[in-house]
Amino acid sequence: AQSVTQLDSQVPVFEEAPVELRCNYSSSVSVYLFWYVQYPNQGLQLLLKYLSGSTLVKGINGFEAEFNKSQTSFHLRKPSVHISDTAEYFCAVSGVYNQGGKLIFGQGTELSVKP
Amino acid sequence: KAGVTQTPRYLIKTRGQQVTLSCSPISGHRSVSWYQQTPGQGLQFLFEYFSETQRNKGNFPGRFSGRQFSNSRSEMNVSTLELGDSALYLCASSWGGRGPSRTEAFFGQGTRLTVV
Repeated sequence: AQSVTQLDSQVPVFEEAPVELRCNYSSSVSVYLFWYVQYPNQGLQLLLKYLSGSTLVKGINGFEAEFNKSQTSFHLRKPSVHISDTAEYFCAVSGVYNQGGKLIFGQGTELSVKP
Repeated sequence: KAGVTQTPRYLIKTRGQQVTLSCSPISGHRSVSWYQQTPGQGLQFLFEYFSETQRNKGNFPGRFSGRQFSNSRSEMNVSTLELGDSALYLCASSWGGRGPSRTEAFFGQGTRLTVV
C-alpha cells in the first residue's frame, strides 16, 4: 500500500518569489508520482509526472519536481510565482505493480500568491 | 481532442434519495476512476472500471456503486443519500492498459452534490 504526506497545508508567498511545496510518500514498492493543480470549482489538472528515468521532471507553467528515492520525496518547485498560480496542489502516488489506475492523494497544499 | 465530461455539474438532493452521475472519458481511454473530494477527507478513491469491469474498489459502503458501458462511459450511483455524501465527485479517465501511462489520469470538472 502507498500513502502520501504533504507537509504544508497552506503556503503564502509573494509574487515573483520562489516556492517549494513538499511531498513525501511511503511505499514498499517502486512508485509513479504526480503533481496535480486544482483551481476553484474545477477538476484536477496534471502538472507533471515521474514515471522513470531522470529524477528532475519539468512540467507545465514553469513547475518542476525532483524525485528523491532515498528521502522518499517529490517536492514541487517554481523559481518565480505569479498571482495566477494561486490554487490547491495535490501530490499523488501509484505503485508500479498495482493493477489499474488508482491514485493515492495527499491532503493538498493551498498556494496563495500575494501581490 | 475532447476532455473528460461530467454531468451534471451541480445537484441538490434530499436525504434518502438516490442519485446517478455520469462521466464520458477521453476518446480511446478505457479506464474510468471515481473520486470523492471533501474538505475533511480530501480526495478519496471510490472505484475504477476498465473494459466494463470493476478493477479496483476503495473503502466506501455498498450504497456507492458504478458501472461502465461498452463505449467506456461510466455512471456512478449513490443510494439512500446521507448528509455526509455532500462532496465534489471527480471522474478520471486514463488509457488503463499496461505500462506506466496507464496511471496518467485526466480529470473532469466534477459534479458538486449537495444533500439537504
